[in-house]
Amino acid sequence: EAQVTQNPRYLITVTGKKLTVTCSQNMNHEYMSWYRQDPGLGLRQIYYSMNVEVTDKGDVPEGYKVSRKEKRNFPLILESPSPNQTSLYFCASALKAVNNEQFFGPGTRLTVL
Amino acid sequence: SQQGEEDPQALSIQEGENATMNCSYKTSINNLQWYRQNSGRGLVHLILIRSNEREKHSGRLRVTLDTSKKSSSLLITASRAADTASYFCAPLNNNAGNMLTFGGGTRLMVKP
Repeated sequence: EAQVTQNPRYLITVTGKKLTVTCSQNMNHEYMSWYRQDPGLGLRQIYYSMNVEVTDKGDVPEGYKVSRKEKRNFPLILESPSPNQTSLYFCASALKAVNNEQFFGPGTRLTVL
Repeated sequence: SQQGEEDPQALSIQEGENATMNCSYKTSINNLQWYRQNSGRGLVHLILIRSNEREKHSGRLRVTLDTSKKSSSLLITASRAADTASYFCAPLNNNAGNMLTFGGGTRLMVKP
């Protein structure tokens, strides 16, 4: 089944404890992206990747890192999480960066205490 | 970055009625996409309309695009309780770099 998977789905952590949220897609998509969704703010893009080894900042990249060493994986890294990073995170992928629909993962609900 | 603004923010209708949601954007686009999100879940792509198209249909969905007014509308006909969700528009400019960005969405509630 074609899909985007994220792990973990739920995470409660403490300030400053490094964490990684994994994202994987099995559709051989070139484009991958991370979003965060907060009440009243809609979805905001954190980072995106046009292809392997190519990543760029989105609208709200501060406090996050990403890597794209393989086509299928696009992990989101929070080196030192803070409470303002408490949010619902979505990974998405698309066949190519242009003119294509995005496929979204199920979301990761992160709480930073 | 390009961002769509949906209107209204919330809409409540009875099952069987039609629901219309609007989207406005600010710069030129290559296409505009509509997505649906059920509470707490990932977005699901509904329909894509290209800048040279004025109207597109998919099942009970009808999307219009007016590039002169920089606006789009999504019409859901004969709504069902299962249509209850948030709906987002995402205008896309291929030259904008970071691709799709989403506004706050329209929260649709369809009462049985």
